[in-house]
Amino acid sequence: GENVEQHPSTLSVQEGDSAVIKCTYSDSASNYFPWYKQELGKRPQLIIDIRSNVGEKKDQRIAVTLNKTAKHFSLHITETQPEDSAVYFCAAWDSNYQLIWGAGTKLIIKP
Amino acid sequence: DVKVTQSSRYLVKRTGEKVFLECVQDMDHENMFWYRQDPGLGLRLIYFSYDVKMKEKGDIPEGYSVSREKKERFSLILESASTNQTSMYLCASSKGKLEQYFGPGTRLTVT
Repeated sequence: GENVEQHPSTLSVQEGDSAVIKCTYSDSASNYFPWYKQELGKRPQLIIDIRSNVGEKKDQRIAVTLNKTAKHFSLHITETQPEDSAVYFCAAWDSNYQLIWGAGTKLIIKP
Repeated sequence: DVKVTQSSRYLVKRTGEKVFLECVQDMDHENMFWYRQDPGLGLRLIYFSYDVKMKEKGDIPEGYSVSREKKERFSLILESASTNQTSMYLCASSKGKLEQYFGPGTRLTVT
């Protein structure tokens, strides 16, 4: 079955700098890769997603890239702000119709 | 707006008790999921359901059962609660292979 690995587990960046979170997956049949953000004490919410027929997708300061050959995808946040502090989860839909989650990255924005 | 509600935000139970966690969604989603969330382990799928009266085991079904008698309601049952089931439980729903909407979570403590 699918396995999703996410790195790093904690990321600390200066406000205004960029942050990159990386995930790898194992099932070559996976074709949908969402990213969720979970603020402290709140529920996870979808922030961006990408399908396997697209290499990159952007939404304001957030972008996701997908490399199908290498089986990895990344979340890029530019010009980070205090409200970006949260735990971010990557995930991948596998061929068994299940969403497999990464372990999460705690992003800390330093003032 | 999609609304997913859970019956309790906080619950304290004794070892051996039978515990019911209820989840209700109001958007006619066919898919519903139960996860548990523990620090450093991300979101782990317990059970999911793609239709009324249908259920599938996730990654960690041991010690749990589920019930889906109506489309909008998905219940998680701990037959005999144990201390290692102390965790945050999150319910989610989705339409097809699309965004999962999460409930606010139930923090269960088993003493």
